[in-house]
Amino acid sequence: DTEVTQTPKHLVMGMTNKKSLKCEQHMGHRAMYWYKQKAKKPPELMFVYSYEKLSINESVPSRFSPECPNSSLLNLHLHALQPEDSALYLCASSQDDRGWTGELFFGEGSRLTVL
Amino acid sequence: AQTVTQSQPEMSVQEAETVTLSCTYDTSESDYYLFWYKQPPSRQMILVIRQEAYKQQNATENRFSVNFQKAAKSFSLKISDSQLGDAAMYFCAYRSAANFGNEKLTFGTGTRLTIIP
Repeated sequence: DTEVTQTPKHLVMGMTNKKSLKCEQHMGHRAMYWYKQKAKKPPELMFVYSYEKLSINESVPSRFSPECPNSSLLNLHLHALQPEDSALYLCASSQDDRGWTGELFFGEGSRLTVL
Repeated sequence: AQTVTQSQPEMSVQEAETVTLSCTYDTSESDYYLFWYKQPPSRQMILVIRQEAYKQQNATENRFSVNFQKAAKSFSLKISDSQLGDAAMYFCAYRSAANFGNEKLTFGTGTRLTIIP
C-alpha cells in the first residue's frame, strides 16, 4: 500500500462552521505533513508531525488546528475560516528513518471552499 | 535558506518530441535531495524522479532523465517521447539530507507543460 488517503475530496463551509480534514497512510511512515496550495502556485508547508509530535508549525493561524492521533492518521481541524483560506489542502507522508529516501508521498488533496 | 527557481512558467512540446524543463537552486549544504514532482489536473502530486546530491550519475526513470550539475546548482528534467499523459504542472523541489531540520521540502514555482497532439 503506497497510498495517502484524504477525505473529504471536496468541502464547502461557512465562516462559522467547524469541520475537519482527514489523512491516512499505512506505509509505516513516521512523518506527516499538511500543505496548502492556491491555484497555479506551489504547495506551502503548514505543519509537520514527526513521530506523532508537532515538529514544525509555519506560523499558521490558530483557526487551523492539526492533530495526529496515531502514526497513521493526521487531522486538520478548521474553525472560523476566512474566504481567503479556500485552497487545496494536501497531506503527505515520509519515511524519515532507516531507509530514508527523502521523498514525500502525497494524497489527492481536499478542495476547500469557504463561503 | 534554500531557494528553488523555475524560470519557465509554461512550456509546450509536440507529442513524441523531447522537452527539457529547467530548475536552479541555491544552497550552502553539500548533502541534499532533488526531486521533480508532477501534478496533473487530477491534482495529486506524483514523484517523477529523485536525485541524491552525492551521486554524480544522473538519475533516469524510463522516458524521464535529469541533468544534475552540482557545481552550477542546476537540475533540469528531460522528457523524451512526450505523451499526452505528460501534460501537467511540474515542480522542482529540494530537501536537505542533514540529520536535523530536514523536514522541509522547498518547491519551485512550477512549469506548466502542454503536449500538442
